[in-house]
Amino acid sequence: NAGVTQTPKFQVLKTGQSMTLQCAQDMNHEYMSWYRQDPGMGLRLIHYSVGAGITDQGEVPNGYNVSRSTTEDFPLRLLSAAPSQTSVYFCASSYSRRAAYNSPLHFGNGTRLTVT
Amino acid sequence: AQSVTQLGSHVSVSEGALVLLRCNYSSSVPPYLFWYVQYPNQGLQLLLKYTTGATLVKGINGFEAEFKKSETSFHLTKPSAHMSDAAEYFCAVTGSGYQKVTFGTGTKLQVIP
Repeated sequence: NAGVTQTPKFQVLKTGQSMTLQCAQDMNHEYMSWYRQDPGMGLRLIHYSVGAGITDQGEVPNGYNVSRSTTEDFPLRLLSAAPSQTSVYFCASSYSRRAAYNSPLHFGNGTRLTVT
Repeated sequence: AQSVTQLGSHVSVSEGALVLLRCNYSSSVPPYLFWYVQYPNQGLQLLLKYTTGATLVKGINGFEAEFKKSETSFHLTKPSAHMSDAAEYFCAVTGSGYQKVTFGTGTKLQVIP
């Protein structure tokens, strides 16, 4: 019953460094997405994918890349970290290609990222 | 584009009192609406959802919400607050294309003993 697994749980980066946040799900979900959560701003969609090989931009995609080579994995890459990317990042998946249509979004426990 | 507005970033209620968390939405197509709850240091969990059909939706832990198209609202209620209800609550909508879920800014519920 792993569900959605995010690694690492915590990360500190220096400005300009790059890194990859990992997200894996074992529920055979077609839909996967990345959100960032900031105080007073709720959750904002960064990128999403409706299946292997298909990705699209959300509300705040700048500075982030994604790929979906398998159904299970949806990594988020920070190309050159900036202090504005300090946030809590959540990965979420859903069974249907139409997000949350017939099944809810399942969330991981988040990655807390600090960029100094 | 779709959006949701949650009125009140913080709400305090006494234990046993009515809980009312407000959500108004905007969508260019018939919306699907959701309420999620987040406990500290955890991801979000679905409380309830409205897609089509009955406008009064019941969820887990005694929560319910009513979809009112004329008011573009989807307020969350619970008749009697419990200490374990203290958490942050997010209203969300998916609309055109139903591939993006847009969340509100959240309401932190405090329950006073």
